[in-house]
Amino acid sequence: DAKTTQPNSMESNEEEPVHLPCNHSTISGTDYIHWYRQLPSQGPEYVIHGLTSNVNNRMASLAIAEDRKSSTLILHRATLRDAAVYYCILPKGGSNYKLTFGKGTLLTVNP
Amino acid sequence: NAGVTQTPKFQVLKTGQSMTLQCAQDMNHNSMYWYRQDPGMGLRLIYYSASEGTTDKGEVPNGYNVSRLNKREFSLRLESAAPSQTSVYFCASKRQGAQEQFFGPGTRLTVL
Repeated sequence: DAKTTQPNSMESNEEEPVHLPCNHSTISGTDYIHWYRQLPSQGPEYVIHGLTSNVNNRMASLAIAEDRKSSTLILHRATLRDAAVYYCILPKGGSNYKLTFGKGTLLTVNP
Repeated sequence: NAGVTQTPKFQVLKTGQSMTLQCAQDMNHNSMYWYRQDPGMGLRLIYYSASEGTTDKGEVPNGYNVSRLNKREFSLRLESAAPSQTSVYFCASKRQGAQEQFFGPGTRLTVL
């Protein structure tokens, strides 16, 4: 199974952009790239997913490298509410896919 | 919509006791999942149910049983609780053909 590598922690200031990196050098051609986040004492929350092209939604943007061996989750203007653990995941199992969570990146947002 | 709900929110058990964690979703989703999260760790899949009437083992199924009671409800049973099962348990659901899973608020279980 393809593995993902993320920094243990990152820090940002409020209202500044945040770029959260993820390496997945053994990704296969059909693997989607998912991002979830987990706020303190809450269940995980879906953020965004993509396959090959960059993706945008109301929460974030996902930039995928041309060779798909890495991706970056972009929060355009961090708020205190964005402080969370961010997980980069490559789901397995086709349409009934299963998520494998690593330790993720703990994002601290300073006021 | 309430989304995914879990009961109870907190539970303390003694070693050897049994209990059932309840999960329900009101989004008409086909797939449902049970995860556990130990302190400082990511979530690990215990069991999942791709559709009503089917269940499959995940990464850490030992010591647990599940029941997909109907399309809405997916329960997790601990027959004889052990201290190693102290964890936070999350239920999730997913619509068929969709990518995102929706998670419940979790049940914090302590086994003494």
